[in-house]
Amino acid sequence: QITLKESGPTLVNPTQTLTLTCTLSGFSVTTSGVGVGWVRQPPGKALEWLALIYWYDDKHYSPSLQNRLTITKDTSKNQVVLTMTNVDPVDTATYYCVRGTLQGGFDYWGQGTLVTVSS
Amino acid sequence: QSALTQPASVSGSPGQSITISCTGASSDVGGYNYVSWYQQHPGKAPKLMIYDVSNRPSGVPDRFSGSKSGNTASLTVSGLQAEDEADYYCGSYTSSNTLVFGGGTKLTVL
Repeated sequence: QITLKESGPTLVNPTQTLTLTCTLSGFSVTTSGVGVGWVRQPPGKALEWLALIYWYDDKHYSPSLQNRLTITKDTSKNQVVLTMTNVDPVDTATYYCVRGTLQGGFDYWGQGTLVTVSS
Repeated sequence: QSALTQPASVSGSPGQSITISCTGASSDVGGYNYVSWYQQHPGKAPKLMIYDVSNRPSGVPDRFSGSKSGNTASLTVSGLQAEDEADYYCGSYTSSNTLVFGGGTKLTVL
């Protein structure tokens, strides 16, 4: 059974760095053909793709956020980590971890974690 | 990159068919057969309904179908059922090797 579970802070102060972890189960982050990424959704708003990392460590970022995002994988823990620097209240959203590819879309989603940016 | 354009809302009665459009550009929707569609019920994570324009993942009812013409992709839901009421999002691969989503469409079953 494939599952993805997000973890991280629920409240972050403006200008701080947000670190989110996605723990994978039922598949490996090193499995050929596999990509793991992040999608966010501000309350009441649309989905926004953020970043994706492939099994061979190829990384892709949203053009509008690429200077603030870093995506990495920890093969020993079977996890994918997203860091976002200099957060702002507009970054308040539910952050989803996803499995898939940029071409084929995302076939598995985590339950999501709500992150609020506020002082 | 600009978000793909979807109608804010569509509606239909049980048993009827509806179509949701998703308009992009030649650099995304029009340039590749890599459009996906997602269904999202309130408070839940999105679910993949269509990938590669018209393919259904295992378990998705064949009432859901996808197509594309030029820079516009479409999702059709036939034989509307109450449980189809949800938000729907399209997504497309882009020439910049990224992914872009649409603004979302709220489907109401009357």
